[in-house]
Amino acid sequence: DAKTTQPPSMDCAEGRAANLPCNHSTISGNEYVYWYRQIHSQGPQYIIHGLKNNETNEMASLIITEDRKSSTLILPHATLRDTAVYYCIVRGINTGNQFYFGTGTSLTVIP
Amino acid sequence: GAVVSQHPSWVICKSGTSVKIECRSLDFQATTMFWYRQFPKQSLMLMATSNEGSKATYEQGVEKDKFLINHASLTLSTLTVTSAHPEDSSFYICSASTSGNYNEQFFGPGTRLTVL
Repeated sequence: DAKTTQPPSMDCAEGRAANLPCNHSTISGNEYVYWYRQIHSQGPQYIIHGLKNNETNEMASLIITEDRKSSTLILPHATLRDTAVYYCIVRGINTGNQFYFGTGTSLTVIP
Repeated sequence: GAVVSQHPSWVICKSGTSVKIECRSLDFQATTMFWYRQFPKQSLMLMATSNEGSKATYEQGVEKDKFLINHASLTLSTLTVTSAHPEDSSFYICSASTSGNYNEQFFGPGTRLTVL
């Protein structure tokens, strides 16, 4: 699976948009980009995933660059409950559904 | 929907004993289940992948005789930490997915193991 690179930490003011970047420069054509988050001492929570088109759901938006080498997760109006570690994961078609987690970004939403 | 539970949520045991952790998919059939371990302030590390009715596939460096995985049904997988030692103290998380290559994984809440 392609490796991902994320900043170790970010802060965001409550109510503002949180933009979390992820680099996956070695991604191949059949690999999806997934985002999960983990609130302290809980299991990871699915947020969103995409292949090449931008995606949006009730939690977030995912913007994938045209060359697919990077993506950005956008939380439109961050709340204190969005404070968590956010993981960007790339998964290929022939890897038995396995996810390999990187180090993630620790997002702190500040009141 | 897509709820995964783990039991127990936390356990404390003495060194040398064995501990079993259960992972259940409550409202779907999980053809594949995964076990992860997470040490404090670190990321999740995949330990093994198990498919219902077959032997688990362990990641490199994970001792299969120490971490016994059983996936006897489409809704239950168990992880047994045998002869636990203090260095096995960790947060163990399971996840489950249905058939298909792009389905998301649904994660359990985790089990905190402390070995004294």
